Amino acid sequence: ILNVEQSPQSLHVQEGDSTNFTCSFPSSNFYALHWYRWETAKSPEALFVMTLNGDEKKKGRISATLNTKEGYSYLYIKGSQPEDSATYLCAFKAGNMLTFGGGTRLMVKP
Amino acid sequence: DGGITQSPKYLFRKEGQNVTLSCEQNLNHDAMYWYRQDPGQGLRLIYYSQIVNDFQKGDIAEGYSVSREKKESFPLTVTSAQKNPTAFYLCASNGRGLQETQYFGPGTRLLVL
Repeated sequence: ILNVEQSPQSLHVQEGDSTNFTCSFPSSNFYALHWYRWETAKSPEALFVMTLNGDEKKKGRISATLNTKEGYSYLYIKGSQPEDSATYLCAFKAGNMLTFGGGTRLMVKP
Repeated sequence: DGGITQSPKYLFRKEGQNVTLSCEQNLNHDAMYWYRQDPGQGLRLIYYSQIVNDFQKGDIAEGYSVSREKKESFPLTVTSAQKNPTAFYLCASNGRGLQETQYFGPGTRLLVL
């Protein structure tokens, strides 16, 4: 079983704060790294798929970076809003399977 | 609209009973997956299927069984051998290609009576 870890487990921030979380994964046998957002009472939705070392992806106020050599990815949220409150999951793709981390639960207070 | 449906939303299982969770997709995806989520934990892979009539065990397949007779459908049976079935179950699918993300259904919560 592959080890994919996310930190922190949970995070409380004030509206307007910028924040970031970490996903660490095995540095061998890398195919891709996925980020998903999972809001309460909804299904997880894809944010990014990252495949190349040094990749940076951006979607509005959310961005992500990838370092496959050292086995980590960062997700950044600039100017957090209450609607950003969700669990953020990363998943490491090796072959046909995704192995998910435990998630970071973000709560943004108005 | 294209998407993944799961039913039922809630399911109650009695001791010693097998129950089947439904997953249907109309996205024309070849690959389908079943995950389990326990409180405070991430998603763990139970079974997956890359093509009709073929499926592979994931990390926690014991006590579960699946079938893939049609491309659109990937039902999961929780057997009586699964001693701790209470969890939230998510079905997902994706198309071919390295950049393909997974699409998830709304989930089924299984509770033991």
